[in-house]
Amino acid sequence: KQEVTQIPAALSVPEGENLVLNCSFTDSAIYNLQWFRQDPGKGLTSLLLIQSSQREQTSGRLNASLDKSSGRSTLYIAASQPGDSATYLCAAPNTGNQFYFGTGTSLTVIP
Amino acid sequence: KAGVTQTPRYLIKTRGQQVTLSCSPISGHRSVSWYQQTPGQGLQFLFEYFSETQRNKGNFPGRFSGRQFSNSRSEMNVSTLELGDSALYLCASSPTGRLNYSPLHFGNGTRLTVT
Repeated sequence: KQEVTQIPAALSVPEGENLVLNCSFTDSAIYNLQWFRQDPGKGLTSLLLIQSSQREQTSGRLNASLDKSSGRSTLYIAASQPGDSATYLCAAPNTGNQFYFGTGTSLTVIP
Repeated sequence: KAGVTQTPRYLIKTRGQQVTLSCSPISGHRSVSWYQQTPGQGLQFLFEYFSETQRNKGNFPGRFSGRQFSNSRSEMNVSTLELGDSALYLCASSPTGRLNYSPLHFGNGTRLTVT
């Protein structure tokens, strides 16, 4: 069974700082890895999807990398803004179309 | 294009009752998945439907069931509610049947409180 871990559980940074969120998974035979953002009381918003054949994906100030051999993915946020405050989750699917989610990193960007 | 729509947004039920939650996927999406989110367990997979067929089921008791209609809309039902069923129930849709390659699009969820 795939186990997904996210460190740290919570992070507080001043506005403008660059930051890295970490995601580890136990089964390296993944097809893709997806990063999501969740605002309080809301659903998840897809940020980036990295296919297993890719090493990174970029969208605006976000860059996600994937290293299957080490079982790790990172989400890099450049020039953080207060609007980036949310919980960030990573998830990987198994062959049965089931996604395994990490427990998330709660990010607070202080103005 | 409208996103994933879940109704109702909030529900309060009593132990022993049953509840039905509804999910309308993004137009053209044929795969619908359901997840339970709680502070202690995080996001846990309930089941996934594609073309009206349940393809995969998570480790939940038989009190949790679901179905998908020909228009891809899905419902999940929880019978004999327990206090531990209090959670945010999230529905997600995907454009293809191969979730290994497709992103998930989530609704805003139904917040179920069991008293």
